[in-house]
Amino acid sequence: DARVTQTPRHKVTEMGQEVTMRCQPILGHNTVFWYRQTMMQGLELLAYFRNRAPLDDSGMPKDRFSAEMPDATLATLKIQPSEPRDSAVYFCASGLGTGSQPQHFGDGTRLSIL
Amino acid sequence: GENVEQHPSTLSVQEGDSAVIKCTYSDSASNYFPWYKQELGKRPQLIIDIRSNVGEKKDQRIAVTLNKTAKHFSLHITETQPEDSAVYFCAASGTGGADGLTFGKGTHLIIQP
Repeated sequence: DARVTQTPRHKVTEMGQEVTMRCQPILGHNTVFWYRQTMMQGLELLAYFRNRAPLDDSGMPKDRFSAEMPDATLATLKIQPSEPRDSAVYFCASGLGTGSQPQHFGDGTRLSIL
Repeated sequence: GENVEQHPSTLSVQEGDSAVIKCTYSDSASNYFPWYKQELGKRPQLIIDIRSNVGEKKDQRIAVTLNKTAKHFSLHITETQPEDSAVYFCAASGTGGADGLTFGKGTHLIIQP
């Protein structure tokens, strides 16, 4: 059963530190999404890529967040500098980028900024 | 942009009874409506989806209905079981799911034994 793989699963760090989260999409999927989940805001889209090109990052705070896809098997989400309000679960999802295929979620990175 | 409202926020039903969760959306261009189930500490898992050219879709005990005119869609779970207890999220997308999803705030479904 193919799955999206995210690392690390948990991250605790102090504010001001750089945080990098990684995602390996399902092999063959050409679209990668980053979502953030908090109690207050629920599930929010941060950014997504198709064929490694960024299509939309309007949900992402530009001053401290950055997302990249160095290659087809790796997507990264970085926060620098991190702040306590960034504490959340960050999910990566992947899909085939067509109108007929669903998005599959990874297990998430639970991030705590102290 | 799209806005998805979901009700109720919490739903408690007796085991064996039916559960219905409702969502409304704002963007008439939305054409793809998935439902995800999320257990505590786990990832959202797709349980069923529907596209705007279909009014109803069923998969065993789960069904989804869509009313494009009223811009609302609903999840129906029949013969509920304890393992149905979870948080359910509806979502909408304007490109058949190829682009980002807008999620509702979730419904905590509690199945009472």
